[in-house]
Amino acid sequence: SYELTQPPSVSVSPGQTARITCSGDALPKKYAYWYQQKSGQAPVLVIYEDSKRPSGIPERFSGSSSGTMATLTISGAQVEDEADYYCYSTDSSGNHRGVFGGGTKLTVL
Amino acid sequence: EVQLVQSGAEVKKPGESLKISCKGSGYSFTSYWIGWVRQMPGKGLEWMGIIYPGDSDTRYSPSFQGQVTISADKSISTAYLQWSSLKASDTAMYYCVRHGHTAPFNWGQGTLVTVSS
Repeated sequence: SYELTQPPSVSVSPGQTARITCSGDALPKKYAYWYQQKSGQAPVLVIYEDSKRPSGIPERFSGSSSGTMATLTISGAQVEDEADYYCYSTDSSGNHRGVFGGGTKLTVL
Repeated sequence: EVQLVQSGAEVKKPGESLKISCKGSGYSFTSYWIGWVRQMPGKGLEWMGIIYPGDSDTRYSPSFQGQVTISADKSISTAYLQWSSLKASDTAMYYCVRHGHTAPFNWGQGTLVTVSS
């Protein structure tokens, strides 16, 4: 079955740039989406269709995709950005079946 | 405003059946895929499957095909996730999601299901 691969953890100091990657064979043809999940809360969409930001999401969150890798970038990470981040995409079958990456714990301290 | 309101927490015994619900509001319920995401304790998100309430077309992750049933009642704008025989390994938080395009855009508050003898 289709898989998306993320690093288990990323750590940055406040004000630094955090980059979280997501690799998958179908990413050249399929969009990547990114979700933030803080402890005890439901996930929130922070990037859709590789690089678009929903209303209400701070401009420091951005996304890009090239080849088989998508990247979530948090420019000037804040302490409140500490959370688990998940990428999401669909496989190449065209059947709308989705898959999440394993998640990346972002530590900002 | 799009809202997905899920049913409350459940405590069940192994072998029992269960059906949890998710009521959508603030949008055209029949025009968007709606589905479920599992999160086991301390683990990541797992996409389970989706249904299109307009025609009941349903898609499952291979990992969940045959293990659960996703359904919807468009007359009351409600989606369901159902088990016929629960196992301890079904203990998890289950999130209802409304898809935009091909991905979850809106999330419910979650329903905690605990299966224990």
